[in-house]
Amino acid sequence: AQSVAQPEDQVNVAEGNPLTVKCTYSVSGNPYLFWYVQYPNRGLQFLLKYITGDNLVKGSYGFEAEFNKSQTSFHLKKPSALVSDSALYFCAVRDLAGRRALTFGSGTRLQVQP
Amino acid sequence: NAGVTQTPKFQVLKTGQSMTLQCAQDMNHNSMYWYRQDPGMGLRLIYYSASEGTTDKGEVPNGYNVSRLNKREFSLRLESAAPSQTSVYFCASSEKSSGRALDEQYFGPGTRLTVT
Repeated sequence: AQSVAQPEDQVNVAEGNPLTVKCTYSVSGNPYLFWYVQYPNRGLQFLLKYITGDNLVKGSYGFEAEFNKSQTSFHLKKPSALVSDSALYFCAVRDLAGRRALTFGSGTRLQVQP
Repeated sequence: NAGVTQTPKFQVLKTGQSMTLQCAQDMNHNSMYWYRQDPGMGLRLIYYSASEGTTDKGEVPNGYNVSRLNKREFSLRLESAAPSQTSVYFCASSEKSSGRALDEQYFGPGTRLTVT
């Protein structure tokens, strides 16, 4: 069975500094990987995905993620953090049983300080 | 377009009571999902529907039933609520395009359920 690990419960960064939110995965075969963001009292919003192709994937709101097959990682990055980026971030991998449902990590809370 | 809508937004039940959570999407998506979100555990799949008339169990189906009423609507029913079912419930939908699953799921705003 596939799984996703987000090793940090919380990441703190100062506004204007680069941010990284870590994600590692375990799947059989080629992974389909996703990042979602959740703002308080809201549903999840899609940020970006990796299916195939370039290892650096660009997404919404200036976020990008780097796929690293040898390290089985898919870290989320942004060159310059904004206070408004403060939210809960989830990494997810697609279910390979054909259901297209997602297996989510436990989430990482990003706190950007002014 | 409203996207994915869920009702109710909040609900408090007593142990043993039943209720149905409603979900509807107006994006003409074939696939719909029910997840529950608990602190520190991410989202876990309860049930999934690949298309109208089909449903499949997810990771945590016990204590729940679902109905895919039509292409738009996918309901989740708790027949006899238990305190362990206190959670935030999210409905989502997704579509397949050009022979490859897009897999980008669109989520509703959630239902916060408390069982006492």
